[in-house]
Amino acid sequence: NAGVTQTPKFQVLKTGQSMTLQCAQDMNHNSMYWYRQDPGMGLRLIYYSASEGTTDKGEVPNGYNVSRLNKREFSLRLESAAPSQTSVYFCASGEGAADTEAFFGQGTRLTVV
Amino acid sequence: AQRVTQPEKLLSVFKGAPVELKCNYSYSGSPELFWYVQYSRQRLQLLLRHISRESIKGFTADLNKGETSFHLKKPFAQEEDSAMYYCALIPPWDTDKLIFGTGTRLQVFP
Repeated sequence: NAGVTQTPKFQVLKTGQSMTLQCAQDMNHNSMYWYRQDPGMGLRLIYYSASEGTTDKGEVPNGYNVSRLNKREFSLRLESAAPSQTSVYFCASGEGAADTEAFFGQGTRLTVV
Repeated sequence: AQRVTQPEKLLSVFKGAPVELKCNYSYSGSPELFWYVQYSRQRLQLLLRHISRESIKGFTADLNKGETSFHLKKPFAQEEDSAMYYCALIPPWDTDKLIFGTGTRLQVFP
């Protein structure tokens, strides 16, 4: 049981380059999330998806796009990377209920130079 | 603005001392509240949730609706409690959303 798997684990981009962070979960969860983690800022929600085919903006969506093509996968795309997007990105999945928990991936450390 | 605030970025205590990690929220209504923990080199994971009224690893959390706070407490800290702690909530009007606070790093010295 792999849980939540993110790829890649590390990435260095040049300003203006694009890339897609992949996330897959095998727990049959309806909800999936993308966060960024920055020192002193905590975890900030970028986008989330309540079910296959639906996505919603979180707290810091600018500069990102997402895609939820099926129940398992939720990808995050940076169309034109900026240094301000240097961060650690976490994907998570869950059922969005008070008596459940969200499961997290191991994170992707992205550096934009 | 609606937010989850953890006023301390770093909390340092000695082993055996009491610990209180503060969490304040400014969401209206009755959000569901959680504490998550990230140990070194491990994934972020759930520590406890308000709805379960549970005590995990000696930690408890008290919801104070009047003060809109959900502070995490442990009477006697252990070195293995050293980690990053995040308060989180699900807003009552959007149960598919999960919002985290700014985090507090707890250091427990021997």
